[in-house]
Amino acid sequence: DAGVTQSPTHLIKTRGQQVTLRCSPKSGHDTVSWYQQALGQGPQFIFQYYEEEERQRGNFPDRFSGHQFPNYSSELNVNALLLGDSALYLCASSLFSAGDNSPLHFGNGTRLTVT
Amino acid sequence: LAKTTQPISMDSYEGQEVNITCSHNNIATNDYITWYQQFPSQGPRFIIQGYKTKVTNEVASLFIPADRKSSTLSLPRVSLSDTAVYYCLVGLNTGRRALTFGSGTRLQVQP
Repeated sequence: DAGVTQSPTHLIKTRGQQVTLRCSPKSGHDTVSWYQQALGQGPQFIFQYYEEEERQRGNFPDRFSGHQFPNYSSELNVNALLLGDSALYLCASSLFSAGDNSPLHFGNGTRLTVT
Repeated sequence: LAKTTQPISMDSYEGQEVNITCSHNNIATNDYITWYQQFPSQGPRFIIQGYKTKVTNEVASLFIPADRKSSTLSLPRVSLSDTAVYYCLVGLNTGRRALTFGSGTRLQVQP
């Protein structure tokens, strides 16, 4: 039973560039959430997708956008990269119908470095 | 969203019991309390979840008093491999509300 998989594992980009990160949820899950984790900090919620729509959004600028595909996989896009966007980007999946307390399953993240 | 407060760091020795307390004074009636564990360069991993009283699984116990304004994660007989950051979260994880992570508690287990 495959868990949450993210690609790539590491990425180096230059300021001003654009990046796309990918996530495949755990088998059987239909909801994907994205988090940004700066070094030494807890994960910060970016947004959540369910039924191919953005359902919730954290306090992140419009440079951060996403998409969910019919197979429940998801992409996170960041435009006009800033040095401050350097972080570990985590994808988490869950099953919407499992109820409000169903735990999140996290991937191991994509380490993005902006130079 | 209910804010949580937990110690920044804790130290322990192998074989000891570790208790990490989290304060969440404005927890809502429908909120659950969930603890995650995170190792360096890995995503957080679900440990335990509860609503009230006590919950126990093969990894840990979670104690929640009647007023639910705090909770305590108990790790019995820790080993070096329990060295990690532990996050206490309060809320729901559906599209209705997003989970908020604090800075967590960095547990260092010494031999």
